[in-house]
Formats: sequence, structure tokens, C-alpha cells
Amino acid sequence: DQQVKQNSPSLSVQEGRISILNCDYTNSMFDYFLWYKKYPAEGPTFLISISSIKDKNEDGRFTVFLNKSAKHLSLHIVPSQPGDSAVYFCAAGKPGAYKYIFGTGTRLKVLA
Amino acid sequence: AAGVIQSPRHLIKEKRETATLKCYPIPRHDTVYWYQQGPGQDPQFLISFYEKMQSDKGSIPDRFSAQQFSDYHSELNMSSLELGDSALYFCASSSSYEQYFGPGTRLTVT
Repeated sequence: DQQVKQNSPSLSVQEGRISILNCDYTNSMFDYFLWYKKYPAEGPTFLISISSIKDKNEDGRFTVFLNKSAKHLSLHIVPSQPGDSAVYFCAAGKPGAYKYIFGTGTRLKVLA
Repeated sequence: AAGVIQSPRHLIKEKRETATLKCYPIPRHDTVYWYQQGPGQDPQFLISFYEKMQSDKGSIPDRFSAQQFSDYHSELNMSSLELGDSALYFCASSSSYEQYFGPGTRLTVT
């Protein structure tokens, strides 16, 4: 039972345009969400987080939006750069649980 | 800035052997997490420790055990290795909500 889903396994975007990566979750107890970028054979790199008390968090080119009623979050990258090409994972955590559940990942390719 | 350190980076073992993976968290991080990522899969949570006590457990086989030591480093011990244990093993550490991952240990079981 996949509690955190990223329904788009891949996404291609032109350089300079916006990349939107989506993530859906099923457990309403999740209250903290993380986005990671991952290159092959490397550890996930933390990008940005959001807690359930917010609906938006911004850090440079990265913005995460959270829609609690829809159990949906998205990561916006503006403008997209070729170096952003990687696999992006969202992860969700519950209060008091020392673990995060990862989504299945979306492979982003930014075309020069 | 200091990051999470994992050793070894690569490990090759034969079936039924034992492997020990080590993780050194970011200084002042009190929580360590272990994840397993198979080829083409998302990271699967194995186990976590907070202040040297096991804090949560995921899909970790009984053949695996882990602990966190007084200096907060953690070791994942894997016995009776099987071919299916071949994967990337990530350690992550945190002091609050954000987890920071190490580079991973690639375990190959032949």
C-alpha cells in the first residue's frame, strides 16, 4: 500500500520554464513533508520542506505548495536549469514517528 | 558544512556472509535513520534511533540489526546475506524534522 505517490514517473521541461512535480498522500496524519533531489548512486539531497500548518514555503527557485484537503503537494522549480535534471522524491512524516515514507520518485529532465 | 558519512561506500559479499555498515551523523544530530533502496525503487525505511534508543522500525528483516552508539554513530549489521539484499543503503540524520542523507553504501551480494 503506497501511502505516498508520485504519479508521474518522468517529466521533461525546457530550460528556463517552470517544472511542477506532484505528490499525493493518503494518510491525513502526515504533518511534515520533504522534497529531495537524487542523482544516481548518490544520497538524496534535501531541497525544501513544509509543515502542515503552512500551505506554501519558498526557497530560491524552489517553492512547495501543500493542499491538505486534497492531500496533495507540489514542488515548483522556476526557472528550470539543466543541472536540475535528477530524480525527485517527496517524503511524508507523522508526528511522533521517527521515519519518513517516500514517494516513488519523478525523473525530471531539463532540456537545454 | 559537515555531512553524514557512511562507510564503506561499496561492499561486495557472498551469500550467507555478514556485513556491517557504518553511519556517522552530522554533529549534534540526535536521530539516525536507515533506508534501503533497491534498483528503480524508492527508499524504504528500515529503522531509526533517537538518543541511542530505537525509535521506529520499518520493513527490516530479522537477519538485520542496528544500534546507535554513545557517540551517535550507528551500525547496521546484516547477517545470512541473500541476493535480494543487494541495494543502496542510506543513512540519514536529523536534529529536527529535516533529514539529511549520506552518500550511501552500495552492497552487492553474489
